[in-house]
Amino acid sequence: KAGVTQTPRYLIKTRGQQVTLSCSPISGHRSVSWYQQTPGQGLQFLFEYFSETQRNKGNFPGRFSGRQFSNSRSEMNVSTLELGDSALYLCASSLDSRNNEQFFGPGTRLTVL
Amino acid sequence: KQEVTQIPAALSVPEGENLVLNCSFTDSAIYNLQWFRQDPGKGLTSLLLIQSSQREQTSGRLNASLDKSSGRSTLYIAASQPGDSATYLCAVQATDSWGKLQFGAGTQVVVTP
Repeated sequence: KAGVTQTPRYLIKTRGQQVTLSCSPISGHRSVSWYQQTPGQGLQFLFEYFSETQRNKGNFPGRFSGRQFSNSRSEMNVSTLELGDSALYLCASSLDSRNNEQFFGPGTRLTVL
Repeated sequence: KQEVTQIPAALSVPEGENLVLNCSFTDSAIYNLQWFRQDPGKGLTSLLLIQSSQREQTSGRLNASLDKSSGRSTLYIAASQPGDSATYLCAVQATDSWGKLQFGAGTQVVVTP
């Protein structure tokens, strides 16, 4: 069974640009959660999608958005990039949103110059 | 507000010694607690998931205990090997939250040959 995949693996952008990251969950998983990992803040929850609906959202500005498609694949978008958005972005998939093991992808390393 | 703490932040042991990693959380209203391993620059690998109704979970050389009432979990790794060197993270899923894991800052482990 294939694991969670994320594309691209690395991105370099400049301030003010926007970026879209993609996540394909494990087959049969309908919940996708996104996290930001930085050395200073650790792992922080961005949002969670289940059956194309956002069911939970962390404390991030509106520049961070996401969506989920009917095949459970998910994308997150960051607009008007800031230097502080440089981070490892991880997505995780699980069968459902509650009380299920989460499996993580390899992450997308975003560098904002 | 749930807070997850991992002590110590770093640990160095000689090969063959048993590892004991601690995780504490402030709110006992959780569905489960999950232990992960992260290698530098990589995604998270799920090690063990303990449901809130369980006291412990075992997988090979790994054993994790959970005391929900006192807000503590301990991960034991028997007979450590250099390949166990990594950062270990614990995370809890609260009962009032869809798809969100609350992470500790992690314990960085070095096993010396």
